[in-house]
Amino acid sequence: SYELTQPLSVSVAPGQTARVPCGGDNIKAKNVHWYQQKPGQAPVLVLYRHSNRPYGIPERFSGSNSGNTATLTISRVQLGDEAEYYCQVWDSRTAGLFGPGTKVTVL
Amino acid sequence: EVQLVESGGGLVQPGRSLRLSCEGSGFILKDNAMHWVRQAPGKGLEWVSGISWNSDRIQYADSVQGRFTISRDDAKNSLYLQMNSLRVEDTALYYCVSDIIGYSFGSGFDRWGQGSLVTVSS
Repeated sequence: SYELTQPLSVSVAPGQTARVPCGGDNIKAKNVHWYQQKPGQAPVLVLYRHSNRPYGIPERFSGSNSGNTATLTISRVQLGDEAEYYCQVWDSRTAGLFGPGTKVTVL
Repeated sequence: EVQLVESGGGLVQPGRSLRLSCEGSGFILKDNAMHWVRQAPGKGLEWVSGISWNSDRIQYADSVQGRFTISRDDAKNSLYLQMNSLRVEDTALYYCVSDIIGYSFGSGFDRWGQGSLVTVSS
């Protein structure tokens, strides 16, 4: 069965760039979405289909996907970006598989 | 305000059944692919099931295949999840969600309800 890997945590200083990787076999061939979830709240879609931002999501959020790794990049990190981030892949085989999540901590 | 409102959760014994409902408020479910996603306490997200805008595509996670049934009633602007043979490991907050591109199944979930808690325990 297909599996996704994410680091447990990523730490970043305010104003710096955070990169959250999502690993999977030949992930570049799949649609990848990214979600942000803050404690006690429902998740929020921040990127869909690798690098498309929904309305209202800042340009500071961007995505890339190549080989076996998709990456969510958060530029000019703010305190409000501290949250759990989940990747999700979608194709006919994996359906809506989520990664285990990465806690982004703003130091 | 555009909302998805879940209902029907509660405490149920293992082996019993429960039916979750999701109603659109200010949001028309028709023409949108819809899904259920769950999150066990303190754990990550798990996609459970999805149904395309016209119901011609329905998928389930392996963990619920054969036990859960997703359906929709566009006349009632509602989505349902019939859960049978419930197990302790089905305990979770169940979210009703919709695809950002309504006609595209699995394009990314941009609308989420606040969730309905299902607790399976004897």
